[in-house]
Amino acid sequence: EPEVTQTPSHQVTQMGQEVILRCVPISNHLYFYWYRQILGQKVEFLVSFYNNEISEKSEIFDDQFSVERPDGSNFTLKIRSTKLEDSAMYFCASSFGTSGSQETQYFGPGTRLLVL
Amino acid sequence: AQSVAQPEDQVNVAEGNPLTVKCTYSVSGNPYLFWYVQYPNRGLQFLLKYITGDNLVKGSYGFEAEFNKSQTSFHLKKPSALVSDSALYFCAVRDPILTGGGNKLTFGTGTQLKVEL
Repeated sequence: EPEVTQTPSHQVTQMGQEVILRCVPISNHLYFYWYRQILGQKVEFLVSFYNNEISEKSEIFDDQFSVERPDGSNFTLKIRSTKLEDSAMYFCASSFGTSGSQETQYFGPGTRLLVL
Repeated sequence: AQSVAQPEDQVNVAEGNPLTVKCTYSVSGNPYLFWYVQYPNRGLQFLLKYITGDNLVKGSYGFEAEFNKSQTSFHLKKPSALVSDSALYFCAVRDPILTGGGNKLTFGTGTQLKVEL
């Protein structure tokens, strides 16, 4: 069964450093998402992406964040200058469509980011 | 705004007994509702969803959920719990009018299910 994959599984970085989290969505999916889960808290939406554009973003997704689909398979989340409060589990998700049976979002295993 | 509440942080059930994990939602229009399960050190796995149609939705691993519009609830149920069902369960909602093409899901805080022998 196809699945969303994410690399790395864990990343430790120093405050102020740039990090890039990578995701390979399910191959025929067209919509891509990033969510995050701070330890012990709920899963929060960051951004959705379709047709090489951001469709929607949350207040969390400020100028320090960016997303890109650099090729036909990868979907990346970049944090330009990490802060301590960026420490979280970051989940990538993808869906084929946005309505009916096509809109189920399938999640990857996550990247645990720790900012020191 | 769209929101979802899971009133129980933890639910304990004996194996073989029925289980219920509660979820209530708030949206301005008709909701799209989802249940996901998270096993330790794993991502979120899709269990089932309600978009439209029959209020009783059946999903993976014998789980089902009932959409109740009057009570704004979407409780997850299983007739006979297994120890292997022990995990963290998340309810999520999307207001298709509010979120438009963004498809943003709003999650509850999660309910830890513990099934004991």
